[in-house]
Amino acid sequence: DAMVIQNPRYQVTQFGKPVTLSCSQTLNHNVMYWYQQKSSQAPKLLFHYYDKDFNNEADTPDNFQSRRPNTSFCFLDIRSPGLGDAAMYLCATSRDRTAWEQYFGPGTRLTVT
Amino acid sequence: QQQVKQSPQSLIVQKGGISIINCAYENTAFDYFPWYQQFPGKGPALLIAIRPDVSEKKEGRFTISFNKSAKQFSLHIMDSQPGDSATYFCAASRDTNAGKSTFGDGTTLTVKP
Repeated sequence: DAMVIQNPRYQVTQFGKPVTLSCSQTLNHNVMYWYQQKSSQAPKLLFHYYDKDFNNEADTPDNFQSRRPNTSFCFLDIRSPGLGDAAMYLCATSRDRTAWEQYFGPGTRLTVT
Repeated sequence: QQQVKQSPQSLIVQKGGISIINCAYENTAFDYFPWYQQFPGKGPALLIAIRPDVSEKKEGRFTISFNKSAKQFSLHIMDSQPGDSATYFCAASRDTNAGKSTFGDGTTLTVKP
């Protein structure tokens, strides 16, 4: 009964080689979020979608892009990963903009070599 | 400017003891204050949450105390158990985009048997 699924759980990529992380949800929630979490730090919001409406955080690097082809799926594209992009990437959902509860996926651990 | 400050960074408690984690916020527009629990290798999961019109909320062994005038809130874990060992994040959000949370830096709790 997994609700927010992230694939892969572990991803190794080379410096500068594009990588895509995926998130899917079975909750039919309108809002989907992508967070970056580095070791021993708080999750940092990169962007979120309200339905198809994309909202970028002001300090999210241009190197990070996202796509949401339908309600269930959302992708995080890192165009040219640097060593500093190694982190856990968390996907989360919430029912709509007024719903305060977020449901997080298990995360994808990205390693950049 | 860090909008949600959390302390302590780490906490060690004996089994059966009380764990207390504190958070302070700056933005008075925040109107929802959740606490998330995160185990290693997992995404955060909502533990308990409170709105500023309530001074205390209790769910089982977990209690949030809220002081609106001081702009502070805290998590108390009564009868702490080794299974409570995890990282705890406080957060804050606004009703206009309720799921978009600003997180504190986290507290790593270790409960010793």
